[in-house]
Amino acid sequence: EVQVVESGGGLVKPGGSLRLSCAASGFTFSSYSMNWVRQAPGKGLEWVSSISSASSYLYYAGSVKGRFTISRDNAKNSVYLQMNSLRAEDTAVYYCAGDPTGEYYFDYWGQGTLVTVSS
Amino acid sequence: QSVLTQPPSVSAAPGQKVTISCSGSSSNIGNNHVSWYQQFPGTVPKLVIYENNKRPSGIPDRFSGSKSGTSATLGITGLQTGDEADYYCVTWDRSLSAGVFGGGTKLTVL
Repeated sequence: EVQVVESGGGLVKPGGSLRLSCAASGFTFSSYSMNWVRQAPGKGLEWVSSISSASSYLYYAGSVKGRFTISRDNAKNSVYLQMNSLRAEDTAVYYCAGDPTGEYYFDYWGQGTLVTVSS
Repeated sequence: QSVLTQPPSVSAAPGQKVTISCSGSSSNIGNNHVSWYQQFPGTVPKLVIYENNKRPSGIPDRFSGSKSGTSATLGITGLQTGDEADYYCVTWDRSLSAGVFGGGTKLTVL
């Protein structure tokens, strides 16, 4: 059974930091590109970042470039998102999503973790 | 606003067919595959079409996808009330070196 579980969300003040984690099982994690996708309350989906299977390629949305860092540990079947200099507009549910081919489609999704940036 | 343009809403009667468009440019849809997601309120998005026109296992053949030039289309036939959801397109944008979602389309089955 495929499982994708995000953790690490919570309430943080503007300018603060959080590290999100995503633990996967039930599929060949090391062959998947992994992505973070977020959804602000009442808004649409927004792609945030991706990391290729061997961590060779890292990409970021313009809105988070320079503030967020994606990484992965294939030995632990996990992907991470370090979020620094957080802003109110980063408030969203953050989903971890797996892409089997690098063609930017996401067949496995976690349940999401809520990040709230507020003073 | 989104790089990919979708209509905010579409509607049709049960049993009818509806199409949802996703318009982009040569830097995204024109040169990359498109996938589509269905999302019910408060739930996780679900892949319904990948690589422009392929259906994942378990997705009924009432759902179809196509791409022409810089636009993609999701089609749903034999509409059911259970199809009421938000639908999103997504692809890669070579100019931005980033993934891009459409703004989403709310489907109402009247």
